[in-house]
Amino acid sequence: DAKTTQPNSMESNEEEPVHLPCNHSTISGTDYIHWYRQLPSQGPEYVIHGLTSNVNNRMASLAIAEDRKSSTLILHRATLRDAAVYYCILPGGGADGLTFGKGTHLIIQP
Amino acid sequence: NAGVTQTPKFQVLKTGQSMTLQCAQDMNHNSMYWYRQDPGMGLRLIYYSASEGTTDKGEVPNGYNVSRLNKREFSLRLESAAPSQTSVYFCASTRVALSNQPQHFGDGTRLSIL
Repeated sequence: DAKTTQPNSMESNEEEPVHLPCNHSTISGTDYIHWYRQLPSQGPEYVIHGLTSNVNNRMASLAIAEDRKSSTLILHRATLRDAAVYYCILPGGGADGLTFGKGTHLIIQP
Repeated sequence: NAGVTQTPKFQVLKTGQSMTLQCAQDMNHNSMYWYRQDPGMGLRLIYYSASEGTTDKGEVPNGYNVSRLNKREFSLRLESAAPSQTSVYFCASTRVALSNQPQHFGDGTRLSIL
């Protein structure tokens, strides 16, 4: 998997938007960008993924830079339940699993 | 729809004991994975199965064996447990092992080796 860089932690207030950045300067043209999150004492949960265009789903939006060297996961209105570790991953393809770094620990203040 | 189910949820073993962690998925997925997560760390791949009848080693396979019993089930066996294997174990599955397919994870098995 290509390497990604994320801040160790971020803090936000409840009901405000949250922008979680990820740098992936060595991304290849065929690498998808995936985001997962892990709530305390739970398994990772898929959030969203994309290749080139921005993506939206019920959980979040993914904004991908034009040169694809960075991306941003956007939570439009954070709730306390969004407090988790968020992982930005570029799967290598094939049956080789996902490489999880340390992710960004998101703290939501009430 | 249960997704990925892991059993047991918790287990305490003594050094040298053996046990099997069970994983089953009901999403008709072809590929399945076993990861471990040590405190404060990201997940690391132990073994994976691209399809029924195939298994391959991941990043940290030593001390483990796996069996892809059928399309639904993928078990992880510790033959002689060691304290270094104290960890949380997650099973995951995906429809096909391509980079545009998300993985779905179970809630984990918390294993302590004394």
